[in-house]
Amino acid sequence: GQNIDQPTEMTATEGAIVQINCTYQTSGFNGLFWYQQHAGEAPTFLSYNVLDGLEEKGRFSSFLSRSKGYSYLLLKELQMKDSASYLCAVVPAGNKLTFGGGTRVLVKP
Amino acid sequence: DGGITQSPKYLFRKEGQNVTLSCEQNLNHDAMYWYRQDPGQGLRLIYYSQIVNDFQKGDIAEGYSVSREKKESFPLTVTSAQKNPTAFYLCATKSGGAWEETQYFGPGTRLLVL
Repeated sequence: GQNIDQPTEMTATEGAIVQINCTYQTSGFNGLFWYQQHAGEAPTFLSYNVLDGLEEKGRFSSFLSRSKGYSYLLLKELQMKDSASYLCAVVPAGNKLTFGGGTRVLVKP
Repeated sequence: DGGITQSPKYLFRKEGQNVTLSCEQNLNHDAMYWYRQDPGQGLRLIYYSQIVNDFQKGDIAEGYSVSREKKESFPLTVTSAQKNPTAFYLCATKSGGAWEETQYFGPGTRLLVL
């Protein structure tokens, strides 16, 4: 079976940094996604990691370690608009994405 | 204007009724997916289709049915056999490129059973 774990909720202050961890155990691995989802809206693509290492994209960075079954999403210089849920999703063998439960991030002034 | 459209945005259903959710795309993507999201939860795969006239069950297909008669369209029917249909339903697409794994989502339909 597939298992993806991420924290349920995190709180941080505007301007700070937050790191959202994701651990996974899947049958096969073809990449890991991070999506952002504001309340009541569709998920939007943030990042895709298939090789080990850090991918940086503006204020957001994503890290992957395949040997450890571990990824994190790093949000820097937090803004109020970053308050949202962040979904970790893995592509195991085959074409189906498997999602974690999502981490709700609350940014406070 | 390219994209994925889902209609309606909100849908109300009486118990015992079937209801069909629409998903249309003009991105020329081969693969289409239906997910269900319950409050505070992640997404769970209902059905997916990688090519016209073919589809496969996902993790929670019971009580749902789909068709893929055209590349652009992948409607989902929520049948009366689905005991707890109230949820947010999301349609997604993916191009058929060998190295393309990214799925793109439509705006979603919120279904409420009265």
